[in-house]
Amino acid sequence: DILMTQSPSSLSASVGDRVTITCRASQSISSYLNWYQQKPGKAPKLLIYAASSLQGGVPSRFSGSGSGTDFTLTISSLQPEDFATYHCQQSHSSPYSFGRGTKLEIK
Amino acid sequence: QLQLQESGPGLVKPSETLSLTCTVSGASISSSGDYWGWIRQTPGKGLEWIGTIYYSGTTYYNPSLKSRVTISVDTSKNQFSLGLTSVTAADTAMYYCARPAASSGYSYVDNWGQGMLVTVSS
Repeated sequence: DILMTQSPSSLSASVGDRVTITCRASQSISSYLNWYQQKPGKAPKLLIYAASSLQGGVPSRFSGSGSGTDFTLTISSLQPEDFATYHCQQSHSSPYSFGRGTKLEIK
Repeated sequence: QLQLQESGPGLVKPSETLSLTCTVSGASISSSGDYWGWIRQTPGKGLEWIGTIYYSGTTYYNPSLKSRVTISVDTSKNQFSLGLTSVTAADTAMYYCARPAASSGYSYVDNWGQGMLVTVSS
């Protein structure tokens, strides 16, 4: 199975900050990488697929980059509604595995 | 608009079988090309892909759970179901039904149920 490692596991930031979350795969997954946002008590919500493609309706302050084994999710200017947990997921090889999540908290 | 809703017992005894159903509305479960799946989440392990079923009935199960999992479809009710046998406390989790999708060969999950907490306890 492909192991997905996210860093950091938690992060404190302020409204307006630029934030970057990293996800590393244990082997190359090309661009088969998705990012999800999850708020407490809710199901995950797809933000980005294929490493850098923005899902419809997702604000443009979210962006994704990377290929191979190293990927990043960037939020260009944090908004109050962005404080949540973010998960990466690889869809290169079954079983499609997830990272352990990065909790983004208000500083 | 596609909606998914999990249902089933929220409490299961150790060694028994966990059974959940996902009711699909806003789309036909037998639509050509559609997959349907189950994902669970625990505080300890995070999100874990359990398995998927293709509209034709073909299934894929996570090898770590394969010996205990069954996913099936009931097209007459527009539902699909999860069965997990011989449960232990480690199977206590939030269970989500989901509709994986794909674009240009890239797969992702763009529709999730609200989730159902299942606790394994005597």
